[in-house]
Amino acid sequence: ETGVTQTPRHLVMGMTNKKSLKCEQHLGHNAMYWYKQSAKKPLELMFVYNFKEQTENNSVPSRFSPECPNSSHLFLHLHTLQPEDSALYLCASSQDIGAGGTEAFFGQGTRLTVV
Amino acid sequence: GENVEQHPSTLSVQEGDSAVIKCTYSDSASNYFPWYKQELGKRPQLIIDIRSNVGEKKDQRIAVTLNKTAKHFSLHITETQPEDSAVYFCAASVSGGYQKVTFGIGTKLQVIP
Repeated sequence: ETGVTQTPRHLVMGMTNKKSLKCEQHLGHNAMYWYKQSAKKPLELMFVYNFKEQTENNSVPSRFSPECPNSSHLFLHLHTLQPEDSALYLCASSQDIGAGGTEAFFGQGTRLTVV
Repeated sequence: GENVEQHPSTLSVQEGDSAVIKCTYSDSASNYFPWYKQELGKRPQLIIDIRSNVGEKKDQRIAVTLNKTAKHFSLHITETQPEDSAVYFCAASVSGGYQKVTFGIGTKLQVIP
């Protein structure tokens, strides 16, 4: 185990539902990230948090709402999603976001299906 | 913004042969280039990375080369083994870390025993 845990592993939700994805790391890292992995597309960086502060939002629709209550936990709140939002959502963490940072450790992801 | 192109999208090699995956990037300010391996149903894991002040880096059977002038970098796997079968992603970062990182589309490598 790399120390980054995501729950749930699988999620099926309707377009009118509200759900949340959870990510937890106990590696002592200060930076956490949300990525979207869709078939036949590059891994897309969605949000970056450094010391609990959001530093990047890569033009992600507002139906995705991140929350980082502390350096160890990261949430992605979902509401009124579209079928094209179905994908694997990966959380990652790293020591920091800057040039001195080492590798990003990924969680196993949440497979999201929007019906 | 940064654009990372990766090819081939699929690659089949015989066990023992070498495999080469190539990536190009567009932003000359990119200075950090990690490579990740993702086995089926598993999380991506870093296998090697290189920074822009280095032209080549090796780790056992894996090597990465970087040509800053041409803005391309490559992953070389020698003496391939069936357990090397996975999807490999290259990435380029202008921040030196993961704040502004762009990934390639991935290469599915199949090593045939």
